[in-house]
Amino acid sequence: QSVLTQPPSVSGAPGQRVTVSCTGSSSNVGAGYAVHWYQHLRGTAPKLLIYEDYNRPSGVPDRFAGSKSGTSASLAITGLQAEDEADYYCQSYDSTLSSWVFGGGTKLTVL
Amino acid sequence: EVQLLESEGGLQQPGGSLRVSCAASGFTFSSYAMSWVRQAPGKGLEWVSTISSNGGGTFYADSVKGRFTISRDNSKNTQYLQLNSLTPEDTAVYYCAKGRGWKMQDWSFDLWGRGTQVTVSS
Repeated sequence: QSVLTQPPSVSGAPGQRVTVSCTGSSSNVGAGYAVHWYQHLRGTAPKLLIYEDYNRPSGVPDRFAGSKSGTSASLAITGLQAEDEADYYCQSYDSTLSSWVFGGGTKLTVL
Repeated sequence: EVQLLESEGGLQQPGGSLRVSCAASGFTFSSYAMSWVRQAPGKGLEWVSTISSNGGGTFYADSVKGRFTISRDNSKNTQYLQLNSLTPEDTAVYYCAKGRGWKMQDWSFDLWGRGTQVTVSS
């Protein structure tokens, strides 16, 4: 059971917009620690999508956007494409655990 | 080319030991913290351990503290993870990851290897 809670799955049709939520608490997201997002296709190397709440690394399309408010963060994906079908994870730091933590992951299905 | 390449993992019996390594190329290895993240079958990503750029600071998840040891050799651009007292719950793909960021608690992982399978079974 992760301290960062994500929905197990989300889905959308090509071209649509979906959001993935990441709910934490006052010892992680709510404490102001940065939230990062990763895209992972099983069997491949995970890829950093968003760092420090809303920043995109070079090469990540602007269809991916991150936001944070209070104890929660969100990843929005617009203009859904078939290639976006993957698992998405949020990550932050937890002061109670004194460790970096990942959310449980969200499987995105493109219908 | 910027990349991280893990060594081959393997099959170990419960209580056994194994060392995995991660060779870095294409960036100044000695300038960055490095980490290990694992994914058990059917589960999500789990942070395992992190080592600071000069090796002076090491950090471990509670699930592996006292059993796993992270280290690095900056002259060889390589980091290591020594896994001792293995249990079936340690069965996972182990990923090597490069840290980014200024403030330790806000570190993210901006470069990952493809992972190495470690299986613990009798």
